[in-house]
Amino acid sequence: SAVISQKPSRDICQRGTSLTIQCQVDSQVTMMFWYRQQPGQSLTLIATANQGSEATYESGFVIDKFPISRPNLTFSTLTVSNMSPEDSSIYLCSVNPGTGYEKLFFGSGTQLSVL
Amino acid sequence: RKEVEQDPGPFNVPEGATVAFNCTYSNSASQSFFWYRQDCRKEPKLLMSVYSSGNEDGRFTAQLNRASQYISLLIRDSKLSDSATYLCVVNQGGKLIFGQGTELSVKP
Repeated sequence: SAVISQKPSRDICQRGTSLTIQCQVDSQVTMMFWYRQQPGQSLTLIATANQGSEATYESGFVIDKFPISRPNLTFSTLTVSNMSPEDSSIYLCSVNPGTGYEKLFFGSGTQLSVL
Repeated sequence: RKEVEQDPGPFNVPEGATVAFNCTYSNSASQSFFWYRQDCRKEPKLLMSVYSSGNEDGRFTAQLNRASQYISLLIRDSKLSDSATYLCVVNQGGKLIFGQGTELSVKP
């Protein structure tokens, strides 16, 4: 298993500003992912955070809006840029301690509200 | 058509009841399958993997029918603590796709 520390746990932000979410894992992991869970919806994969290279984004998500850093195997950040009320959501960091995409472990999430 | 579909519920059942959740997936090439549990305002946590032969973990039984692209979760002798949202998850080409979740509420 993996212990994941994600912060902030929640924030209320003004339209047009940016928020950076941090994800710290207690062990080195190859695979780190960022998900979004909009109100009443399921989880949607934003991107895979790759250590030492650019993140791999899913359809509908772009680097300019959601820049991701992965400086080492235990840490990643997701920035939500130029926020609008539509970005209000829960953002979740997740990791797979193994070699496949199974058995994801999640951080506690960041609840973002944009006014 | 959604890639992973679940009945959103809510399912309201009394303690001790047996309840079954269904899930269908659209991509026949999906490789592996899971049930996750998500409590209110909490992160999802893996409940169990789903194997082709079916598998059981205590009061929980998971079934997979690849021909019908159908997954199920059966909970026997429901407890109050089983109240949560149950997420059907499918691995498609290395990417985990989540269903919308089925809400379960177990009442005394």
